[in-house]
Amino acid sequence: GAGVSQSPSNKVTEKGKDVELRCDPISGHTALYWYRQSLGQGLEFLIYFQGNSAPDKSGLPSDRFSAERTGGSVSTLTIQRTQQEDSAVYLCASSSRTSGYEQYFGPGTRLTVT
Amino acid sequence: QKEVEQNSGPLSVPEGAIASLNCTYSDRGSQSFFWYRQYSGKSPELIMFIYSNGDKEDGRFTAQLNKASQYVSLLIRDSQPSDSATYLCAALNSGGSNYKLTFGKGTLLTVNP
Repeated sequence: GAGVSQSPSNKVTEKGKDVELRCDPISGHTALYWYRQSLGQGLEFLIYFQGNSAPDKSGLPSDRFSAERTGGSVSTLTIQRTQQEDSAVYLCASSSRTSGYEQYFGPGTRLTVT
Repeated sequence: QKEVEQNSGPLSVPEGAIASLNCTYSDRGSQSFFWYRQYSGKSPELIMFIYSNGDKEDGRFTAQLNKASQYVSLLIRDSQPSDSATYLCAALNSGGSNYKLTFGKGTLLTVNP
Protein backbone atom coordinates (compact mmCIF):
# COMPACT_ATOMS: atom_id res chain seq x y z
CA GLY A 1 0.00 0.00 0.00
CA ALA A 2 0.95 3.64 -0.14
CA GLY A 3 3.42 4.94 2.39
CA VAL A 4 3.62 8.31 4.07
CA SER A 5 3.74 11.14 1.57
CA GLN A 6 4.93 14.69 2.08
CA SER A 7 4.80 17.79 -0.04
CA PRO A 8 6.56 19.73 -1.27
CA SER A 9 9.79 17.73 -1.42
CA ASN A 10 11.80 20.94 -1.50
CA LYS A 11 10.88 24.47 -0.47
CA VAL A 12 13.00 27.56 -0.76
CA THR A 13 11.60 30.65 0.91
CA GLU A 14 12.74 34.09 1.90
CA LYS A 15 13.31 34.98 5.51
CA GLY A 16 10.13 36.33 7.06
CA LYS A 17 7.73 34.43 4.80
CA ASP A 18 5.28 31.81 6.04
CA VAL A 19 5.44 28.21 4.80
CA GLU A 20 3.11 25.23 4.96
CA LEU A 21 4.32 21.67 4.83
CA ARG A 22 1.93 18.81 4.21
CA CYS A 23 1.91 15.21 5.40
CA ASP A 24 -0.41 12.44 4.26
CA PRO A 25 -0.05 9.45 6.61
CA ILE A 26 -0.55 5.78 5.89
CA SER A 27 -4.26 5.05 5.66
CA GLY A 28 -5.64 3.89 8.99
CA HIS A 29 -2.72 5.11 11.06
CA THR A 30 -4.06 6.98 14.06
CA ALA A 31 -0.81 8.56 15.19
CA LEU A 32 1.13 11.21 13.26
CA TYR A 33 4.45 12.78 14.19
CA TRP A 34 6.51 15.70 12.92
CA TYR A 35 10.29 15.82 13.33
CA ARG A 36 12.99 18.18 12.20
CA GLN A 37 16.48 17.11 11.19
CA SER A 38 19.22 19.63 10.60
CA LEU A 39 22.24 18.65 8.51
CA GLY A 40 24.24 15.95 10.27
CA GLN A 41 22.04 16.05 13.33
CA GLY A 42 19.59 13.66 14.98
CA LEU A 43 15.82 13.75 14.86
CA GLU A 44 14.22 16.60 16.79
CA PHE A 45 10.65 15.83 17.86
CA LEU A 46 8.20 18.63 17.11
CA ILE A 47 4.59 17.51 17.60
CA TYR A 48 2.51 14.34 17.91
CA PHE A 49 -1.16 13.72 17.08
CA GLN A 50 -2.95 10.65 18.45
CA GLY A 51 -6.50 10.08 17.28
CA ASN A 52 -8.85 12.75 18.57
CA SER A 53 -6.70 13.59 21.60
CA ALA A 54 -5.12 16.98 22.10
CA PRO A 55 -1.77 17.03 20.29
CA ASP A 56 1.51 16.85 22.18
CA LYS A 57 3.17 20.12 21.19
CA SER A 58 6.04 19.83 23.62
CA GLY A 59 8.70 19.84 20.91
CA LEU A 60 7.67 22.95 19.01
CA PRO A 61 10.66 25.32 19.23
CA SER A 62 8.69 28.58 19.21
CA ASP A 63 5.21 30.00 18.74
CA ARG A 64 6.04 30.54 15.07
CA PHE A 65 5.48 26.81 14.63
CA SER A 66 2.02 25.27 14.59
CA ALA A 67 0.40 22.17 13.17
CA GLU A 68 -3.03 20.81 12.62
CA ARG A 69 -4.49 17.51 11.59
CA THR A 70 -7.80 17.61 9.82
CA GLY A 71 -10.24 14.73 9.92
CA GLY A 72 -7.69 12.51 11.63
CA SER A 73 -5.68 12.18 8.45
CA VAL A 74 -3.70 14.87 6.60
CA SER A 75 -1.54 17.19 8.68
CA THR A 76 -0.11 20.61 7.92
CA LEU A 77 2.91 22.08 9.69
CA THR A 78 3.02 25.86 9.43
CA ILE A 79 6.06 27.98 10.12
CA GLN A 80 5.39 31.70 10.33
CA ARG A 81 7.97 34.43 9.75
CA THR A 82 10.63 31.91 8.79
CA GLN A 83 14.18 32.37 10.00
CA GLN A 84 17.41 30.97 8.57
CA GLU A 85 17.74 28.60 11.52
CA ASP A 86 14.49 26.96 10.41
CA SER A 87 16.35 25.49 7.44
CA ALA A 88 16.23 21.70 7.86
CA VAL A 89 14.52 18.58 6.62
CA TYR A 90 11.05 18.22 8.09
CA LEU A 91 10.01 14.60 8.45
CA CYS A 92 6.57 13.22 9.06
CA ALA A 93 5.87 9.73 10.38
CA SER A 94 2.76 7.74 11.17
CA SER A 95 2.03 4.68 13.25
CA SER A 96 -0.82 2.58 14.56
CA ARG A 97 -1.56 0.60 17.69
CA THR A 98 -2.24 -2.54 15.69
CA SER A 99 1.26 -2.50 14.22
CA GLY A 100 3.00 -1.99 17.55
CA TYR A 101 3.56 1.73 17.14
CA GLU A 102 6.58 1.43 14.90
CA GLN A 103 6.79 4.65 12.93
CA TYR A 104 6.99 4.85 9.17
CA PHE A 105 8.58 7.95 7.77
CA GLY A 106 7.78 10.00 4.73
CA PRO A 107 10.50 11.24 2.36
CA GLY A 108 10.68 14.61 4.07
CA THR A 109 10.50 18.23 2.98
CA ARG A 110 13.80 20.06 2.66
CA LEU A 111 13.22 23.66 3.72
CA THR A 112 15.78 26.32 2.86
CA VAL A 113 15.31 29.82 4.20
CA THR A 114 17.37 32.41 2.36
CA GLN B 1 13.84 13.19 30.84
CA LYS B 2 13.64 9.99 28.81
CA GLU B 3 16.86 9.44 26.90
CA VAL B 4 18.31 7.00 24.42
CA GLU B 5 22.07 7.04 24.11
CA GLN B 6 24.15 5.81 21.21
CA ASN B 7 27.81 6.09 20.34
CA SER B 8 27.92 8.54 17.45
CA GLY B 9 30.79 6.68 15.79
CA PRO B 10 31.86 6.46 13.12
CA LEU B 11 32.07 2.70 13.46
CA SER B 12 34.21 1.29 10.71
CA VAL B 13 34.22 -2.43 9.86
CA PRO B 14 35.62 -4.39 6.92
CA GLU B 15 33.29 -6.03 4.45
CA GLY B 16 32.14 -9.45 5.70
CA ALA B 17 32.68 -8.64 9.37
CA ILE B 18 30.04 -8.36 12.10
CA ALA B 19 29.01 -4.82 12.94
CA SER B 20 27.77 -4.30 16.50
CA LEU B 21 25.68 -1.23 17.27
CA ASN B 22 24.74 -0.44 20.84
CA CYS B 23 22.12 1.64 22.59
CA THR B 24 21.11 2.31 26.20
CA TYR B 25 17.87 3.83 27.43
CA SER B 26 16.83 5.59 30.60
CA ASP B 27 13.07 4.83 30.77
CA ARG B 28 12.91 1.52 32.61
CA GLY B 29 9.25 1.24 31.64
CA SER B 30 9.96 1.20 27.90
CA GLN B 31 8.66 -2.00 26.38
CA SER B 32 9.40 -1.78 22.67
CA PHE B 33 12.55 -0.84 20.84
CA PHE B 34 13.21 -0.08 17.22
CA TRP B 35 16.20 0.10 14.91
CA TYR B 36 16.11 2.40 11.91
CA ARG B 37 18.62 2.79 9.11
CA GLN B 38 19.09 6.20 7.52
CA TYR B 39 21.11 6.62 4.36
CA SER B 40 22.59 10.04 3.75
CA GLY B 41 19.94 12.37 2.36
CA LYS B 42 17.14 9.88 2.93
CA SER B 43 14.51 9.39 5.62
CA PRO B 44 14.78 6.72 8.35
CA GLU B 45 13.73 3.22 7.36
CA LEU B 46 12.57 0.66 9.93
CA ILE B 47 14.82 -2.40 10.11
CA MET B 48 13.61 -4.27 13.18
CA PHE B 49 11.74 -3.97 16.42
CA ILE B 50 12.07 -6.00 19.59
CA TYR B 51 10.09 -6.15 22.83
CA SER B 52 11.14 -9.40 24.48
CA ASN B 53 14.38 -10.03 26.31
CA GLY B 54 16.83 -11.98 24.24
CA ASP B 55 17.61 -12.12 20.55
CA LYS B 56 15.49 -11.59 17.48
CA GLU B 57 16.92 -12.51 14.10
CA ASP B 58 15.89 -11.31 10.66
CA GLY B 59 18.23 -12.28 7.87
CA ARG B 60 21.64 -10.74 8.50
CA PHE B 61 20.27 -8.61 11.35
CA THR B 62 19.94 -9.62 14.99
CA ALA B 63 18.44 -7.34 17.61
CA GLN B 64 19.26 -8.03 21.24
CA LEU B 65 17.42 -6.70 24.27
CA ASN B 66 18.44 -6.80 27.92
CA LYS B 67 15.82 -4.99 29.98
CA ALA B 68 17.67 -5.49 33.26
CA SER B 69 20.66 -3.61 31.85
CA GLN B 70 18.47 -1.26 29.76
CA TYR B 71 20.51 -2.16 26.74
CA VAL B 72 19.62 -2.80 23.12
CA SER B 73 21.97 -3.82 20.35
CA LEU B 74 21.89 -4.54 16.64
CA LEU B 75 24.27 -6.99 15.06
CA ILE B 76 24.80 -6.99 11.30
CA ARG B 77 26.45 -10.16 10.04
CA ASP B 78 28.42 -10.34 6.80
CA SER B 79 28.46 -6.53 6.59
CA GLN B 80 28.24 -5.09 3.11
CA PRO B 81 29.25 -1.64 1.82
CA SER B 82 25.52 -1.07 1.21
CA ASP B 83 25.01 -1.28 4.99
CA SER B 84 26.96 1.97 5.37
CA ALA B 85 24.46 4.36 6.94
CA THR B 86 23.44 5.94 10.22
CA TYR B 87 21.58 3.57 12.54
CA LEU B 88 19.01 5.05 14.90
CA CYS B 89 17.82 3.32 18.05
CA ALA B 90 14.41 4.27 19.45
CA ALA B 91 12.41 3.37 22.55
CA LEU B 92 8.63 3.50 22.83
CA ASN B 93 7.69 5.72 25.76
CA SER B 94 5.91 4.03 28.60
CA GLY B 95 2.87 5.16 30.47
CA GLY B 96 -0.59 6.46 29.67
CA SER B 97 -1.61 6.94 26.10
CA ASN B 98 1.66 8.51 25.03
CA TYR B 99 3.04 6.52 22.12
CA LYS B 100 5.99 8.65 21.19
CA LEU B 101 9.35 7.18 20.34
CA THR B 102 12.48 8.61 21.89
CA PHE B 103 15.29 8.44 19.35
CA GLY B 104 19.01 8.28 19.90
CA LYS B 105 21.22 10.53 17.82
CA GLY B 106 22.42 7.59 15.74
CA THR B 107 25.63 5.72 15.03
CA LEU B 108 27.35 6.18 11.68
CA LEU B 109 28.48 2.83 10.29
CA THR B 110 30.99 2.58 7.48
CA VAL B 111 31.64 -0.80 5.86
CA ASN B 112 34.91 -0.79 3.94
CA PRO B 113 35.22 -2.97 0.81
